[in-house]
Amino acid sequence: DVKVTQSSRYLVKRTGEKVFLECVQDMDHENMFWYRQDPGLGLRLIYFSYDVKMKEKGDIPEGYSVSREKKERFSLILESASTNQTSMYLCASSPAGTLETQYFGPGTRLLVL
Amino acid sequence: DQQVKQNSPSLSVQEGRISILNCDYTNSMFDYFLWYKKYPAEGPTFLISISSIKDKNEDGRFTVFLNKSAKHLSLHIVPSQPGDSAVYFCAASAENSGGSNYKLTFGKGTLLTVNP
Repeated sequence: DVKVTQSSRYLVKRTGEKVFLECVQDMDHENMFWYRQDPGLGLRLIYFSYDVKMKEKGDIPEGYSVSREKKERFSLILESASTNQTSMYLCASSPAGTLETQYFGPGTRLLVL
Repeated sequence: DQQVKQNSPSLSVQEGRISILNCDYTNSMFDYFLWYKKYPAEGPTFLISISSIKDKNEDGRFTVFLNKSAKHLSLHIVPSQPGDSAVYFCAASAENSGGSNYKLTFGKGTLLTVNP
């Protein structure tokens, strides 16, 4: 079974803090993704990575950065958290190749005060 | 510009009846479609998929239909069970020009409630 884990289920931070969200997958997947889910907006892609040290912007990268130093780990960084970044953050991974399904972690609910 | 649309935010059905969730897309380059189910406070879980070379894929109680000419797909759940109550997301992908790496574009989701 594919397992994608996220470092925290719930997180409360203050405006201006630097926030790290960590994601680890144990299936040697090449692709990893960060999404945020907001009511009425569905899942929106923030960043994704095809390989170690490779990253590409998704649909809403502003205010975020990512790091992928190891294949199994993909970090999402909020350099200076703002209240509009309060959201559910979801990490996913998938193998390389065509027609591959993405497997999601349980999510991190972030509240920025 | 929303490329994957789920126009019904919610759907309520009786246990044992059929649930039909609909999804429309605008990008003709999409060639792979997936449905995910999401319970509150959990990540989405993959349910069923279909590639553009097919018009139907069935897995137990779940069937996905694809109408490429109408750019429409639907998920049928028969019979519906209370445990099916969740948010259902439609997603689509298109092969990148560079090769095999895919990203998914999601709809906004439909909340299905199956009443006992």
